Amino acid sequence: GESVGLHLPTLSVQEGDNSIINCAYSNSASDYFIWYKQESGKGPQFIIDIRSNMDKRQGQRVTVLLNKTVKHLSLQIAATQPGDSAVYFCAENLGSGGSNYKLTFGKGTLLTVNP
Amino acid sequence: NAGVTQTPKFQVLKTGQSMTLQCAQDMNHEYMSWYRQDPGMGLRLIHYSVGAGITDQGEVPNGYNVSRSTTEDFPLRLLSAAPSQTSVYFCASSYPAFGGLYGYTFGSGTRLTVV
Repeated sequence: GESVGLHLPTLSVQEGDNSIINCAYSNSASDYFIWYKQESGKGPQFIIDIRSNMDKRQGQRVTVLLNKTVKHLSLQIAATQPGDSAVYFCAENLGSGGSNYKLTFGKGTLLTVNP
Repeated sequence: NAGVTQTPKFQVLKTGQSMTLQCAQDMNHEYMSWYRQDPGMGLRLIHYSVGAGITDQGEVPNGYNVSRSTTEDFPLRLLSAAPSQTSVYFCASSYPAFGGLYGYTFGSGTRLTVV
């Protein structure tokens, strides 16, 4: 799993398996969260986001789960493919009710998909 | 619609030289920001802007200047390059919604080496 401020963790899975990448966020007041995928030599690419009034959101092959009680976020990738190999970052934003325009990023998890 | 465009993609500077990293977006986003990414670390915010004529410091602003004369452009200036500024620099833009940020889009990055 991943936590803001910790060493870059790694996750290795077999093609076709489901992947779960975890993130512990730091600020209980954060109300908007984003998962990014970054392939080698490229900029971060938006995957999925979730607001704090939700605990689950689904996209194409991806699901984000939010547990505000323990300040935990997870990204689930179904039927993982070799093209999913990348570093995955979670980011949090203090958006609600104020003018905080900053995203705070975790250090990322390296996902390797073995064919 | 090109999204966020960064130039140059690669740059080598000598210690003490100055240069400007360019960032342009064509999505009419109000919010723009600069991040640096170092090995094994997440993205750290350097400077950001919430609109033309408005800029503010992020987490690691020392040694960098920014200006925002138009909605589209947000250049980052290195005043006197130092080896500690060797990094990959990303520009991002987004628009405010629901009291926070939305549509956060990154450029492809500028890889800077200071020797």
